[in-house]
Amino acid sequence: DADVTQTPRNRITKTGKRIMLECSQTKGHDRMYWYRQDPGLGLRLIYYSFDVKDINKGEISDGYSVSRQAQAKFSLSLESAIPNQTALYFCATSDWSSEATDTQYFGPGTRLTVL
Amino acid sequence: GEDVEQSLFLSVREGDSSVINCTYTDSSSTYLYWYKQEPGAGLQLLTYIFSNMDMKQDQRLTVLLNKKDKHLSLRIADTQTGDSAIYFCAESHRSGGYNKLIFGAGTRLAVHP
Repeated sequence: DADVTQTPRNRITKTGKRIMLECSQTKGHDRMYWYRQDPGLGLRLIYYSFDVKDINKGEISDGYSVSRQAQAKFSLSLESAIPNQTALYFCATSDWSSEATDTQYFGPGTRLTVL
Repeated sequence: GEDVEQSLFLSVREGDSSVINCTYTDSSSTYLYWYKQEPGAGLQLLTYIFSNMDMKQDQRLTVLLNKKDKHLSLRIADTQTGDSAIYFCAESHRSGGYNKLIFGAGTRLAVHP
C-alpha cells in the first residue's frame, strides 16, 4: 500500500465551485506539504505544516486554504476555483529526523481541471 | 534570489550514458537533490548530495557538484527504457525554520532503442 495517498486522483470542476483535495499518510511523519505543478515549471509550495497546530503559507497560497485534521491528514481547499488553478497537485511528507536532508516523500498527485 | 534551471528535454539511446544538468543560484544551499517522476506518479527521491561534497555515486547514478559554478549534474550509466521519466533538480534553502525546496522545471528523459 502507498505511504502517501491523495484523493481524488482526477477532478474536473467549474469556475466558482469549492473543491477539497485530501492527503493521507501512513509514514508517521510530522511534516506535510502541498505543492502544485504546472507544465514547464517546477513544483511550487502552497502550504506546509510542521504539526497539527502549525500551518504556514508557502510561496503561492493566495486562493487556497488548508486544514490539518490529524497528524496523518492534510487537506487543501479551493474556496472558489478559477481556471488558472488548473494544475497537478502533490502532497508530500517529511520527518523531523530527516530535517538535515529534508527528504520529502510525495503522493501520486491529483490532476485538477477548472473549466 | 532563488532559481534552479535545467534543460527541458534529453533523448538518449538505450545503453548509452545520460547526463542531466542543472544550475542553481543560492550559494547557501546545504543539500541538492535529484527526483524522478514517472508518468502518473509522484516524485521519487533518487539521490541527494551535501554541498561540501563534489561527487556521489550510487550504482548507476553519479552526481557531480561544482559549487564554484553552482552546477549540478546527474549521470545515469547504461540508460534503460525504464529510466524514461522527468528528472527534477532541487536545492534546499533554509527559510522559516525548515529546509525549503526550490525545484527546477524538470528534464524529460526519453530513451529510445
